[in-house]
Amino acid sequence: QKEVEQDPGPLSVPEGAIVSLNCTYSNSAFQYFMWYRQYSRKGPELLMYTYSSGNKEDGRFTAQVDKSSKYISLFIRDSQPSDSATYLCAMRTGGSYIPTFGRGTSLIVHP
Amino acid sequence: DAGVTQSPTHLIKTRGQHVTLRCSPISGHKSVSWYQQVLGQGPQFIFQYYEKEERGRGNFPDRFSARQFPNYSSELNVNALLLGDSALYLCASSLLGRGWGVDTEAFFGQGTRLTVV
Repeated sequence: QKEVEQDPGPLSVPEGAIVSLNCTYSNSAFQYFMWYRQYSRKGPELLMYTYSSGNKEDGRFTAQVDKSSKYISLFIRDSQPSDSATYLCAMRTGGSYIPTFGRGTSLIVHP
Repeated sequence: DAGVTQSPTHLIKTRGQHVTLRCSPISGHKSVSWYQQVLGQGPQFIFQYYEKEERGRGNFPDRFSARQFPNYSSELNVNALLLGDSALYLCASSLLGRGWGVDTEAFFGQGTRLTVV
């Protein structure tokens, strides 16, 4: 079992839909949780960052962390074709400063 | 302001050869990390350097080595290339050597696409 599990998709949604992307993890020591967006042939871009449990909102994006269930989510409201990319979750412990990445979920938003 | 720059962008090598990949961090960033991303997978950590010292090493064979220079740029070297080394190699820089936080964002370069034939 991998430390971080993420469904690779692809997830195809119509423009304007609410998108839900998720990751599960097994290491209860993870404290810092991140979401990266990666466009084709580009490097990952840090999108959201959350410490411990709770929600964080930034524009159309909301990140949620449920440490009791070892489950994190990224919600995208009013999705746009420009949101089409691979979304990678990443997380790390407080003692290690190297994040562990999920394999990424491919999102396709069609007009 | 220039972001993280990596060179070359694409590279084709033959099995058994050696390769050197280069990375220049964002100005002011003293930490550089290297990742390998195989198609369809997330980035796998290879090395982290801070102030020219190795701060972390992932589960990669000794064929992989790296160094950081006084100007904080970095090189990743891979010897005796195997077909399985074909991947996107990503460099990330950050302001501090320790971690990715609210005030310490990790910025990735565009990567070097290495193909071993």
